[in-house]
Amino acid sequence: AQSVTQLDSQVPVFEEAPVELRCNYSSSVSVYLFWYVQYPNQGLQLLLKYLSGSTLVKGINGFEAEFNKSQTSFHLRKPSVHISDTAEYFCAVSGGSNYKLTFGKGTLLTVNP
Amino acid sequence: NAGVTQTPKFQVLKTGQSMTLQCAQDMNHNSMYWYRQDPGMGLRLIYYSASEGTTDKGEVPNGYNVSRLNKREFSLRLESAAPSQTSVYFCASTPQANSYEQYFGPGTRLTVT
Repeated sequence: AQSVTQLDSQVPVFEEAPVELRCNYSSSVSVYLFWYVQYPNQGLQLLLKYLSGSTLVKGINGFEAEFNKSQTSFHLRKPSVHISDTAEYFCAVSGGSNYKLTFGKGTLLTVNP
Repeated sequence: NAGVTQTPKFQVLKTGQSMTLQCAQDMNHNSMYWYRQDPGMGLRLIYYSASEGTTDKGEVPNGYNVSRLNKREFSLRLESAAPSQTSVYFCASTPQANSYEQYFGPGTRLTVT
């Protein structure tokens, strides 16, 4: 079985500040890790993914995440956020057959002017 | 390509009524999924179909049935709607190749009164 814990349900920041959204996972098998973003009243869109290789993964809109196997973490970072980054962010893990994803409960990022 | 489409976008039902949520994808993906999203709960898997002709229960299948009509379409049926099924429902698909990435539809917002 696998699980995902997003440590913060809400993160308020000011525009142009850096941000880190934290994600920890547990799994008994090798994992694939994802961050999705959901803008208000929309579906989910993939930000970035880790499947193998370099542990630092770059995604769309200037986001990046680092896979840390020893700490079972996959934190999402952006050095300077914009108002338009206001959204809910979901961390997800896949590690079994049937390509199922297990999602965290989400972190609402609010960027204030 | 339209990607993943869902109908309807909004629906209000009375307790005990039935309805079917429709999902279709035009990306020739093998696997399809139904999730529900509730505030503070993230996305929870209801049912999935690893390939045409197969369906399996996810985390929260009670009160739902599914049909994988063909490779493109995967429908979700509520036989007797209950207020606890008030939620936003998302359909997703994945190629079942080496990406594990799921592509999401825009969602159906269902209210059961």
